[in-house]
Parts: sequence; C-alpha cells; structure tokens
Amino acid sequence: GESVGLHLPTLSVQEGDNSIINCAYSNSASDYFIWYKQESGKGPQFIIDIRSNMDKRQGQRVTVLLNKTVKHLSLQIAATQPGDSAVYFCAENIRGGADGLTFGKGTHLIIQP
Amino acid sequence: DAGVIQSPRHEVTEMGQEVTLRCKPISGHNSLFWYRQTMMRGLELLIYFNNNVPIDDSGMPEDRFSAKMPNASFSTLKIQPSEPRDSAVYFCATWRGTDTQYFGPGTRLTVL
Repeated sequence: GESVGLHLPTLSVQEGDNSIINCAYSNSASDYFIWYKQESGKGPQFIIDIRSNMDKRQGQRVTVLLNKTVKHLSLQIAATQPGDSAVYFCAENIRGGADGLTFGKGTHLIIQP
Repeated sequence: DAGVIQSPRHEVTEMGQEVTLRCKPISGHNSLFWYRQTMMRGLELLIYFNNNVPIDDSGMPEDRFSAKMPNASFSTLKIQPSEPRDSAVYFCATWRGTDTQYFGPGTRLTVL
C-alpha cells in the first residue's frame, strides 16, 4: 500500500544551526500534511501543518515546504536549540485530518552543543 | 484544558491476560483515534470513532483486539488474550473537526 517514508533516520546538527528534515510521500490523493515532534516517553506533539493548496507555511522558527510535483515534504528548523532534540514524524491524510493519519518512520534530530 | 488523558501510563502483564487501555478525549473533540507504535512498524492506526461510532477498524490486528466508545468522554481498547507481540506504546488521539489530531501521552504495554 501507499505510505509516507523518510529519507534520513538520524540527523545531527550544531546548536544554533538550521536543520532540514525531509519526507517523501506516495499518495497523490493526500491533501493534508503534518509534522509532529516526539520526545522520549511522550506522545507526538503538533508542530506545523500544511494543506495541498499551499507550497509553504511558516511558524515560529519552523517552516514546512510542500512540493507536490515530486511528492516531497520538508521541515526546516531555524537556530536549533537543545530542546529541539527529538524524533520528528511527517504524517499525511486524504481528508484533512478526518481519517487516521499515515505516519513516516521518523527522523531522530540530535542537537550538538 | 488537560489534553488527551490516557491510563494507565504503564502496564506490565503476562501472556494470556486481559488488558484494558483507557482514553479521555479533549472536551468537544468528536473524533477519537487509537494508534500503536512499535520500533518495527512505527505509528499505525488501529481504529477510529466519529461521534462515538466506529468508522474504520481495518487496522485492528486481530479479533483479540476490541475498542469501544460508550460516550463522548471515554474510550477503551481491550486486548484479550494478550500476547508478547502486543507489546508496544498505544496512543489515543482526538480531533475537533479542524486542524490537527492531538495525542495523549500513551500507554506503554509490556506483555511477558
């Protein structure tokens, strides 16, 4: 079946640098995409989302880019901080959040001091 | 708002025993989802409810798994009998009809 996948399982960046986490999706019918952050022992925490009628959306220190042509999603985190260390998941949905989400396997972001 | 509440946070049981996981959704959220997270398979949807009615249970792995939502404030996920391969973290998430799904802290289940 179709699923969401991640390119890199682990990403290590220096504190203060920018980080980019990538995600590939295969379901062309998906119209809603979300990035979640999961810290050890906790549930996934919403970071930012984007709908298929947009290419870019910005939040506080985070930006999500959507390239529907190549079915690619990315999360950019500016000026990374120690608290950004976590596993990041992309997720997709074909009905704007109404159905269950399909998750990628996650990228572990490590912030080096 | 307290967010999605799950109990227990940790459960250790022996193979063959019945396990019941509980979830209290965020007030006003009319959709509730049960997910399972394992190292091998990541986060997977098990079942979800809309207005207390089960909509899609195709992710439930076996008949040993069952879920109920008797009212808008409570849902249970039951495994009977439990097996070691059921060991995982089980998450409940809820949705109010706009924006994203909000997850609870999860229940870590260990079946010996």
